[in-house]
Amino acid sequence: GQQVMQIPQYQHVQEGEDFTTYCNSSTTLSNIQWYKQRPGGHPVFLIQLVKSGEVKKQKRLTFQFGEAKKNSSLHITATQTTDVGTYFCAVPNQAGTALIFGKGTTLSVSS
Amino acid sequence: AAGVIQSPRHLIKEKRETATLKCYPIPRHDTVYWYQQGPGQDPQFLISFYEKMQSDKGSIPDRFSAQQFSDYHSELNMSSLELGDSALYFCASTFGQGSTDTQYFGPGTRLTVL
Repeated sequence: GQQVMQIPQYQHVQEGEDFTTYCNSSTTLSNIQWYKQRPGGHPVFLIQLVKSGEVKKQKRLTFQFGEAKKNSSLHITATQTTDVGTYFCAVPNQAGTALIFGKGTTLSVSS
Repeated sequence: AAGVIQSPRHLIKEKRETATLKCYPIPRHDTVYWYQQGPGQDPQFLISFYEKMQSDKGSIPDRFSAQQFSDYHSELNMSSLELGDSALYFCASTFGQGSTDTQYFGPGTRLTVL
């Protein structure tokens, strides 16, 4: 079935350092979505990428979709303690009727 | 803006008991998804409904059933509860069931089975 691999599983950084999480699929994706889940919270939609090679920015967050539409990355510049949480990528299942989540990358930030 | 509402927020049950979780989607959203998230795990898709009909089925145990009502709210019914059913249960809603639709998640119901 549809799967998406996400790495790393955990990342600890000092405040001000950069952070990147990666998602890879064995199949070509129609789109990929990114969600953030704070500790004790629920997944919150961040962004959706649809086009090959697409790059989108949200303040310190940069999202990329690979040229082959099989991989994606989320990069955070100069992390802050408010960035703490688990970042999930999610892709549509084959029928396009549900999301399949990556395992997530849990980011911790020390000040 | 109105968000997805889930009730109850916390639920404690004994083994072999039943539980009913409710989800009220964002107004005008016609599609509801249910996910189960174990501790430290990613959300696992259980089942979805579009316009009151089951749209897709994921890893939902036979002991669980769900439906979507005429007002688009949905209920997840869980019977013969097991310890392993302890998890966060999220409901998400969208308008339409396209693969590019953003899913808006509710706050979740934390189910603890003792």
